Amino acid sequence: GAVVSQHPSRVICKSGTSVKIECRSLDFQATTMFWYRQFPKQSLMLMATSNEGSKATYEQGVEKDKFLINHASLTLSTLTVTSAHPEDSSFYICSGRFNYGYTFGSGTRLTVV
Amino acid sequence: KQEVTQIPAALSVPEGENLVLNCSFTDSAIYNLQWFRQDPGKGLTSLLLIQSSQREQTSGRLNASLDKSSGRSTLYIAASQPGDSATYLCAASSGAGSYQLTFGKGTKLSVIP
Repeated sequence: GAVVSQHPSRVICKSGTSVKIECRSLDFQATTMFWYRQFPKQSLMLMATSNEGSKATYEQGVEKDKFLINHASLTLSTLTVTSAHPEDSSFYICSGRFNYGYTFGSGTRLTVV
Repeated sequence: KQEVTQIPAALSVPEGENLVLNCSFTDSAIYNLQWFRQDPGKGLTSLLLIQSSQREQTSGRLNASLDKSSGRSTLYIAASQPGDSATYLCAASSGAGSYQLTFGKGTKLSVIP
C-alpha cells in the first residue's frame, strides 16, 4: 500500500518551455506532498511542501514563480517548471506522507536543452 | 537546522559479508528516522522506519538502530548480496510543522560477487 505514481519518468524540453510533473497517491489520501530535487551525487533537497487546498510553502532559495505547485485534490499534486533553463536539469521526486512514514514517487529526470 | 551525515560515502564489500552503514544527525529532537534505498536513476524505496521512541527495527536481513542521545543511527545488512548494491539514504524527520525530512548524501554500496 501507500503508492505514489509519478509521471513522466523522463522528459527532455527546450529552453524556455514549461514542463509539468504529476504525482498521484494511488491508495491513500496525501494531504501533504513534498517535492525534492536531486543533483548528481548529491542528496535530496526539499524544494517545497504542498498541502491540499492551500498554497505551497517553498524552501529558501526556491523561486515560487518558477516552480509552480498545485495540490488541488487529496490524490494529485503537480509541479510545473516554468521557462525551464539548462540549470533546471535535475531529478525531481515527490513524496507523500502517510501514517508515520513517507512514500516516494519514482522520480522524473528533466533535461533542458 | 538539522544536518544529516552518512559515512562512508562509498563502500565495496565481497558477497556474503555483513556490513554497517552509519548515519548521524545534529538535532536529537527527531520525530522518526527512515532508511531508504535508491537505485540509479530511480526513486526511493523505504527500508525501515524507526520512531523516536524505538531503539531498532528489523526487516529480513536488515536491522536499523537509533540512538537519539548520541545522534546516531546504523543500518546493518547481513549476508550481503549483489542485489543489495545501491545507494542507501537515511533521513530524519523534524517532527515539527510539516514533518519534513532531512536527507544525508547517502552511502553507495557495491557488493562484489
